Amino acid sequence: QVQLQQWGAGLLKPSETLSLTCAVYGGSFSNDYWSWIRQPPGKGLEWIGEINHSGSTNYNPSLKSRVTISIDTSKNQFFLKLSSVTAADSAVYYCARISAGACDWGQGALVTVSS
Amino acid sequence: DVVMTQSPLSLPVTLGQPASISCRSSQSLVYSDGNTYLNWFQQRPGQSPRRLIYKVSNRDSGVPDRFSGSGSGTDFTLKITRVEAEDVGVYYCMQATHWPKTFGQGTKVEIK
Repeated sequence: QVQLQQWGAGLLKPSETLSLTCAVYGGSFSNDYWSWIRQPPGKGLEWIGEINHSGSTNYNPSLKSRVTISIDTSKNQFFLKLSSVTAADSAVYYCARISAGACDWGQGALVTVSS
Repeated sequence: DVVMTQSPLSLPVTLGQPASISCRSSQSLVYSDGNTYLNWFQQRPGQSPRRLIYKVSNRDSGVPDRFSGSGSGTDFTLKITRVEAEDVGVYYCMQATHWPKTFGQGTKVEIK
């Protein structure tokens, strides 16, 4: 079974860039899309974007100008960068694979933006 | 964006009794390939979400058969035949037919 493990800086100042890594263990990237989703404390889920093994991406238009998702298939990792963060970007960030045949989530990473 | 509207937002239930959550989308979720990409997730307190149902009515591996999904077009339902204590949490519907993918607001299931 595929496992996703994620990490990255947990405390940022306004205007800094959020950077998170998600490592995929126990499987390859195959033909699925690999996603980033976030959840502000006590609130619901928001789709940030996704990438496939060939590097094709889809971004949420609400974040598109600030988001970059990339992939390193040699390391079985994919990445999230969100620039110019504000307090509104404070959330638990999840990496995930959600396809018709499989669904796997990372453990989540709490990112707090505070001056 | 496709708006997903769940009801109720809070659902107190008695152990052993059934429960039902509604999810309505602002547009049809039928994709050009004929499939309807409507998922249901469960999020227990302090945990990552877990998918229960994909493409309206297909249970994920390991999901108890007391969970079932139904619906079509813009109107969908998640049913639990007999609620157990481990079912406490927040349930989300999510559409993956249109971009960006969007979630409902969540329905909090608690035991009376």
